[in-house]
This record gives sequence, structure tokens and C-alpha cells, in this order.
Amino acid sequence: GIQVEQSPPDLILQEGANSTLRCNFSDSVNNLQWFHQNPWGQLINLFYIPSGTKQNGRLSATTVATERYSLLYISSSQTTDSGVYFCAGRDSNYQLIWGAGTKLIIKP
Amino acid sequence: NAGVTQTPKFRVLKTGQSMTLLCAQDMNHEYMYWYRQDPGMGLRLIHYSVGEGTTAKGEVPDGYNVSRLKKQNFLLGLESAAPSQTSVYFCASSSRRDFATNEKLFFGSGTQLSVL
Repeated sequence: GIQVEQSPPDLILQEGANSTLRCNFSDSVNNLQWFHQNPWGQLINLFYIPSGTKQNGRLSATTVATERYSLLYISSSQTTDSGVYFCAGRDSNYQLIWGAGTKLIIKP
Repeated sequence: NAGVTQTPKFRVLKTGQSMTLLCAQDMNHEYMYWYRQDPGMGLRLIHYSVGEGTTAKGEVPDGYNVSRLKKQNFLLGLESAAPSQTSVYFCASSSRRDFATNEKLFFGSGTQLSVL
């Protein structure tokens, strides 16, 4: 079955709106991380969030490991937030298993 | 600070041709990875290396070979390119395989490969 599943697949918002992206992960995956891929393809780490909550500016992430899900919150969206957001988790071979991503478009 | 550098950025091959993608990192990282990204999908691990002279297969290794002769370089080779290998290839490096200490994964800017 699908080990890492993200929703929604696409999200279009106006600048200034808030958004919540979800990542469900199976029992075979742990140590969740969130990544952002900008429209030019560059990938960066956002959060390493195996459990609990972390915040970095307008972004925050929460993982409830016992219920096998993680949420990424983006507040007061800006056009620079556009791109694809991926979650990924480690399998038993220490390899990252990636979700298919949520494509976020922020309109000015 | 260059970080992770991939060359080339774009390449078009004909079916059956061979090529090598180069990844170089200047952060003295032990671990290096090659991923491919297909439309609408997350990254999938092709091969990885946990140190100089070592390589290991990832999730989708067939049709690719790799070498890590120097710690700072990780090469990905396609011996006989096929249209199914059309993809965007990303190299990454990290200082630890276990992310328990929040070490980051650093990515190159990607190589767009088209096989006709």
C-alpha cells in the first residue's frame, strides 16, 4: 500500500490566506520531514518533525506519530510560498520514502 | 559556498546512448544520494553512498550505475539510455544517515534528462 500519502494534491489560494497540508504515513515509515520545491525546482528542508510541533516564522508543522499523520500550516501566504510541498519519512532501510506532493499556487 | 553542484543541467539523449551525471559537494558530507523525480510524483532513490568507495542500491536502481571514487563526488551513469529514464535527476548529500540530530539533506539544482 501507499506508505506516504499527501492531500490535497493541488491548492490555489489568494495571497494572505492560511493553508493546511496533510501527510498520512504508514507504520513502516517514521521520522517525518517536510520539504519545499520552488517553481524553479530547488528543494530545501523545512522541518524535521518526527513528533510534536515546530514553528519557523509563518510555517509550522505538527506530527502525531501515534495516529500516523503530519500537518504543515502556512499562515498569511505569500507568492513566494508557491511550489510543491513534500513530506517524506524513513523506512527500515533508512531510505526516505516521499509522498507525491501538494502543489500550492498563491495568487497575488 | 557552492553546496551541492550537479552537471549538466540539461541533456537530450537518443535511445541507447550513454552518459554520466556528476554531483560534487564541498561540505565534507559522508552520505550522497541520487534521486529521480517524475511528473506528479515524489522523489525516488536510485543509488546512494555512505562513504568514499561505497555504493548501494535504492528503490529504482535498474539501468543505472554509480561510483564514489572521491568523497566529494558521486557519479551516476546510464549505459544505454531508454525513454523511461526521461526524468529530473537530483543529487543530495548529508552528514548523517540518521536524522535524529536534525542534520539536513542538501540538494543540487537538478538535471533535466530527455531520452528520445
